[in-house]
Amino acid sequence: DAGVIQSPRHEVTEMGQEVTLRCKPISGHDYLFWYRQTMMRGLELLIYFNNNVPIDDSGMPEDRFSAKMPNASFSTLKIQPSEPRDSAVYFCASSFLAGGGVRMSFGPGTRLTVL
Amino acid sequence: AQSVAQPEDQVNVAEGNPLTVKCTYSVSGNPYLFWYVQYPNRGLQFLLKYITGDNLVKGSYGFEAEFNKSQTSFHLKKPSALVSDSALYFCAVRDIYNTDKLIFGTGTRLQVFP
Repeated sequence: DAGVIQSPRHEVTEMGQEVTLRCKPISGHDYLFWYRQTMMRGLELLIYFNNNVPIDDSGMPEDRFSAKMPNASFSTLKIQPSEPRDSAVYFCASSFLAGGGVRMSFGPGTRLTVL
Repeated sequence: AQSVAQPEDQVNVAEGNPLTVKCTYSVSGNPYLFWYVQYPNRGLQFLLKYITGDNLVKGSYGFEAEFNKSQTSFHLKKPSALVSDSALYFCAVRDIYNTDKLIFGTGTRLQVFP
C-alpha cells in the first residue's frame, strides 16, 4: 500500500490566489481528516469525512476554506482567496473507523507558503 | 476542558541513555491515549496506544509508555535512545464528546546526540 498520498508537496502562491490541496486516502479507509500544522497553533483538525460525507467542519477557520470528498479515493481542500496567515503544513490522514483504538495514517503533508 | 499537555518543548539525551517524553492529560472518564512521531518533512506516524488493560504499553521502534491514572500521565519511554529517534513527538487523547476526533498536544522535539 502506498499510504496516504498528498499533492502538491510544496505550494508557493501569492495572496489572493486560489489554492487546491489534494489527498488520496488509503484504500478501504472510511474516515478522512484534514489537519493544519503551524508553530503557533500546533496541529489543528480542520474537517473530517466519514464515507465521503463531511461530519465536522468546526475547525475550518473561515469561509475561505472549503473541502470536498467526491468519492472514497479523493479529497480536496481549497482556500480561496489565500492569505499569508494560511501559510502552514496541511496534512491529510485516513483511518478505518476512527477515534478510540484506531491508528490514523498521515500523508507527508503539503507545505503552503502564501506571499 | 479536555486536553493533553506536553510540558517540554525539547528533550535532549545522549545516545544510549534512557529517554522520557512527558505527557499529562485532562479528561473525564477513562482516556484513550496515543503517541505519534513526526520525522522531518514527514507526516505523523502512530507509535502506540492505551485503551485499557496493562498500564505499560509497548509500541513501535522499541518505545513504550506508562499510563498512570493517579498522576494523569502517559509518559513515553525508551531504555536506550538512538540518534535516529530524533523527531517531534505528539501525545493525543480521544475527544470524549466526539470519539471520532483526537486532541493533540503541542509536541516535544527529541534530540538525541551521538
